Amino acid sequence: DVVMTQTPPSLSVAIGQSVSISCKSSQSLVYSDGKTYLHWLLQSPGRSPKRLIYQVSNLGSGVPDRFSGTGSQKDFTLKISRVEAEDLGVYYCAQTTHFPYTFGAGTKLELK
Amino acid sequence: AVQLVESGGGLVQPKESLKISCAASGFTFSNAAMYWVRQAPGKGLEWVARIRTKPNNYATYYADSVKGRFTISRDDSKSMVYLQMDNLKTEDTAMYYCTAGPVDYWGQGVMVTVSS
Repeated sequence: DVVMTQTPPSLSVAIGQSVSISCKSSQSLVYSDGKTYLHWLLQSPGRSPKRLIYQVSNLGSGVPDRFSGTGSQKDFTLKISRVEAEDLGVYYCAQTTHFPYTFGAGTKLELK
Repeated sequence: AVQLVESGGGLVQPKESLKISCAASGFTFSNAAMYWVRQAPGKGLEWVARIRTKPNNYATYYADSVKGRFTISRDDSKSMVYLQMDNLKTEDTAMYYCTAGPVDYWGQGVMVTVSS
């Protein structure tokens, strides 16, 4: 199975600060169709996970452009510019290139 | 809008069975593979089961942790997906989410607690 390594496990931030979360996979996430199925999810406290970014860098519907995703092959980054209170929660990367699909362990974003 | 609504969770004793359901709407259900993902209290996300579509012979997949004990099924006529859980163990205690996409859409989750 593809192992997804997310760092850091937690982040303490002030409102307005920018942060980055890393996600590295144990093998390339480029599928045979040339697309890379690496996604970012946010689980706000007490809520279901919500997809923020799909296929590395595409923002989901209604997701603010403070969120951005970059990366390729095995190395990916989620950046949040100007963190707002509603951004707090646990962020997960997920790969759906190789079956069985796998998640990262999560990064908890907390207020400083 | 896409909606996934789980039901059927509850408290059961070890070795008992439970069947949870997911009602889907807002998309062409018969064209979509469907998934169950679970999250133990305070833990991360774990894929549990997948069922593909009729053209793919409704092929199923199970995580090793549930293989032989859980069965995923679907009823395309009702836009429903099910997870039959047998011989439940305390470590199966978790919130169970129905998903499609496979991460595009998530239900609100249903809690399954296995305890004596």
